[in-house]
Amino acid sequence: GDSVTQMEGPVTLSEEAFLTINCTYTATGYPSLFWYVQYPGEGLQLLLKATKADDKGSNKGFEATYRKETTSFHLEKGSVQVSDSAVYFCALSDHRGNYGQNFVFGPGTRLSVLP
Amino acid sequence: ETGVTQSPTHLIKTRGQQVTLRCSSQSGHNTVSWYQQALGQGPQFIFQYYREEENGRGNFPPRFSGLQFPNYSSELNVNALELDDSALYLCASSRMTGDNSPLHFGNGTRLTVT
Repeated sequence: GDSVTQMEGPVTLSEEAFLTINCTYTATGYPSLFWYVQYPGEGLQLLLKATKADDKGSNKGFEATYRKETTSFHLEKGSVQVSDSAVYFCALSDHRGNYGQNFVFGPGTRLSVLP
Repeated sequence: ETGVTQSPTHLIKTRGQQVTLRCSSQSGHNTVSWYQQALGQGPQFIFQYYREEENGRGNFPPRFSGLQFPNYSSELNVNALELDDSALYLCASSRMTGDNSPLHFGNGTRLTVT
């Protein structure tokens, strides 16, 4: 079945450092790819998405490019802030026609940014 | 635009009891999905409802059941609670379209089974 693998955390960075969180996937079809972020005590919020190969999703300074050849969707940010401290989830979605979408989430990567 | 709301926010139950969690979808959304998120893990798909019928289910036993109402709100019911059912239960709504529309999550219900 479909699966998502993420780099293990926690990741601890200083403010203004460069961030990369690796994500790779296994899917039988051509999924859409997503990054979600979860702040303490809250649900998941959509950060960005890409629906086909070579698409780049971006939001709030975060970027990720859909790489079909390497089945990857790595999350990057050039300069992190303390407010970026959260848990980040990579996810894929395979559409199942009339049966809607099948979302599969990775285990999450906790990011801590120190001032 | 009203987001996804869940109730209650926290709940403590005893092993063997039954629980009902509730969710109101984001306006304009007709599909509701439920996820279980154990501590330190990613969300695991329980099931999805569309037009008041279950149209997808993850690897969860039948004691996990649900309902969707005509206004697209939803309930998750869990019977015969076990200690391992302790988790954050997330409801997510979306539009049933062909464009892989993203899930919109509520803040979850934290269930503790003792």
